[in-house]
Amino acid sequence: AQTVTQSQPEMSVQEAETVTLSCTYDTSESNYYLFWYKQPPSRQMILVIRQEAYKQQNATENRFSVNFQKAAKSFSLKISDSQLGDTAMYFCAFILNYGGSQGNLIFGKGTKLSVKP
Amino acid sequence: NAGVTQTPKFQVLKTGQSMTLQCAQDMNHEYMSWYRQDPGMGLRLIHYSVGAGITDQGEVPNGYNVSRSTTEDFPLRLLSAAPSQTSVYFCASSRTGGGSYNSPLHFGNGTRLTVT
Repeated sequence: AQTVTQSQPEMSVQEAETVTLSCTYDTSESNYYLFWYKQPPSRQMILVIRQEAYKQQNATENRFSVNFQKAAKSFSLKISDSQLGDTAMYFCAFILNYGGSQGNLIFGKGTKLSVKP
Repeated sequence: NAGVTQTPKFQVLKTGQSMTLQCAQDMNHEYMSWYRQDPGMGLRLIHYSVGAGITDQGEVPNGYNVSRSTTEDFPLRLLSAAPSQTSVYFCASSRTGGGSYNSPLHFGNGTRLTVT
């Protein structure tokens, strides 16, 4: 069975600094997708960034980037120039890709990030 | 374009009561699912559906029923509420599968349920 582990339950960072959130996953399959979702206090689930396992290049979305290490099964999220609005719970998620059809999205337990002024 | 709409936003039940959490999407998505979120547990899959008339169990299905009579709607039923079902519930949908690179999961805004 696939699992997703986020080893940092809580983190804090000063405004304008850079922070990295860790995520590891366990699978014997080679074709899958990885996601980071953000959940601010409003409770809304917001997709931050996504990565296809067969793509070597790390995904970036503005201030958000990932460090995808397929051999190490690691998918960390880097937030640059942190802003107060980045304060949220962040979830790493994994889904298998069975040649065009997918399984179900599996979530880690989350990392609560606080950005301090 | 409303996306995924969940009702109600908040609900308090007494042990043993029944209720239905409503979920509707207007994106013509084939896949719909229900997750529950508990502190320190992340989101766990309750039930999912890959199309009208098809449902299946996820990781934590006990105490919950679902049906999918239309593409748009995927209600979650609690037949006899228990305090262990106190949680935040999310409905989510995607065009195909459980969420792919080109069709990631779209979430509703959640329902906070308290069972006393």
